[in-house]
Amino acid sequence: GDSVTQMEGPVTLSEEAFLTINCTYTATGYPSLFWYVQYPGEGLQLLLKATKADDKGSNKGFEATYRKETTSFHLEKGSVQVSDSAVYFCALLNNAGNMLTFGGGTRLMVKP
Amino acid sequence: EAEVAQSPRYKITEKSQAVAFWCDPISGHATLYWYRQILGQGPELLVQFQDESVVDDSQLPKDRFSAERLKGVDSTLKIQPAELGDSAMYLCASSGTSGEPRTDTQYFGPGTRLTVL
Repeated sequence: GDSVTQMEGPVTLSEEAFLTINCTYTATGYPSLFWYVQYPGEGLQLLLKATKADDKGSNKGFEATYRKETTSFHLEKGSVQVSDSAVYFCALLNNAGNMLTFGGGTRLMVKP
Repeated sequence: EAEVAQSPRYKITEKSQAVAFWCDPISGHATLYWYRQILGQGPELLVQFQDESVVDDSQLPKDRFSAERLKGVDSTLKIQPAELGDSAMYLCASSGTSGEPRTDTQYFGPGTRLTVL
């Protein structure tokens, strides 16, 4: 079945550092890929998405590129802020559009 | 911006009691999902509705969990009786119908944090 693997956290960075959170997936067909962010005690918020190979999703300074050849969708940000501290989930929506599969989440901690 | 509403935000109950959670999806969204998220893990689907019909409840523990969406709008998830292992965040999500299901984004509510004592 479909699966998503994320790098384990926590990831601890200083403010203004460069962020990369790795995400790889296994799926048949042509899934869509998503990054969601979860702040403490809250639900998941959509951060960005990409629906086909080589698409780049971007939002709030975050970006990720759908790489079919490496089955990856790594999340990057050039300069993190303390307010970016949260848990980040990579997810894929299957070809039929009826199953969203999540990775285990990566906790990001940004220190001033 | 339209949001998915859930209530209550927090619920503490004793084991063997009944609990119920409510979800109101984004207006016009035909598909509604209930997920369970155990602390430190990603969400896992419990049940999916298309309008008022269940399309996937394969992961719903049907001996104690039930879900309904009678008029195809808001939905209720019930647990009876609650067990200690049910402590988790219960998330509701909804998605529209773009005509291309593989691109439909699921939008999540704030969740209900359940603690079973």
